[in-house]
Amino acid sequence: GAVVSQHPSRVICKSGTSVKIECRSLDFQATTMFWYRQFPKQSLMLMATSNEGSKATYEQGVEKDKFLINHASLTLSTLTVTSAHPEDSSFYICSARVNTDTQYFGPGTRLTVL
Amino acid sequence: GESVGLHLPTLSVQEGDNSIINCAYSNSASDYFIWYKQESGKGPQFIIDIRSNMDKRQGQRVTVLLNKTVKHLSLQIAATQPGDSAVYFCAEIFTGGGNKLTFGTGTQLKVEL
Repeated sequence: GAVVSQHPSRVICKSGTSVKIECRSLDFQATTMFWYRQFPKQSLMLMATSNEGSKATYEQGVEKDKFLINHASLTLSTLTVTSAHPEDSSFYICSARVNTDTQYFGPGTRLTVL
Repeated sequence: GESVGLHLPTLSVQEGDNSIINCAYSNSASDYFIWYKQESGKGPQFIIDIRSNMDKRQGQRVTVLLNKTVKHLSLQIAATQPGDSAVYFCAEIFTGGGNKLTFGTGTQLKVEL
């Protein structure tokens, strides 16, 4: 099956710093990738849709200047959390769309902001 | 039973019993539904899907039932095993609305030996 990787799997950073998370489709190309955030004991919430070669589409309430998304190639999307604060601590999960209906999920990145 | 606040609803079953996990979806226009399994610290894993023109679909040890009248999905797991312990999410897609997944709240399944 299709494999999606994320790097890093865990990151701890100081408040005010920026953190970049990578999402890669390893054995297929994905024009569309999605970024989700998941707080403990809660569901996945879609943050944004990342489209290769164009600007990301953000969900209502998600600050585009805080969560920078770049989809520079058909196998890589990055999410940069800028000026991170403790409330940004969460589990960030990406997915890559294979066809109209099918998304494969990455293993997630645990971000802890001190 | 169910809990409130930041706790997921929990279903506890004995190993070997059948499990039924329920989900209420929100959009009557959704036409594609998926069940995912999420183990602690990992991303969601596809289990089974169903389209809105069906009311039942079976996989290996799993069955999904769809009741569009009341916007209800269920996931049945036969002969539940310890490895089935995880959080289960239903997700809905409205293919005419950008094909974005909307996840339900999730249910924690605990399999007791």
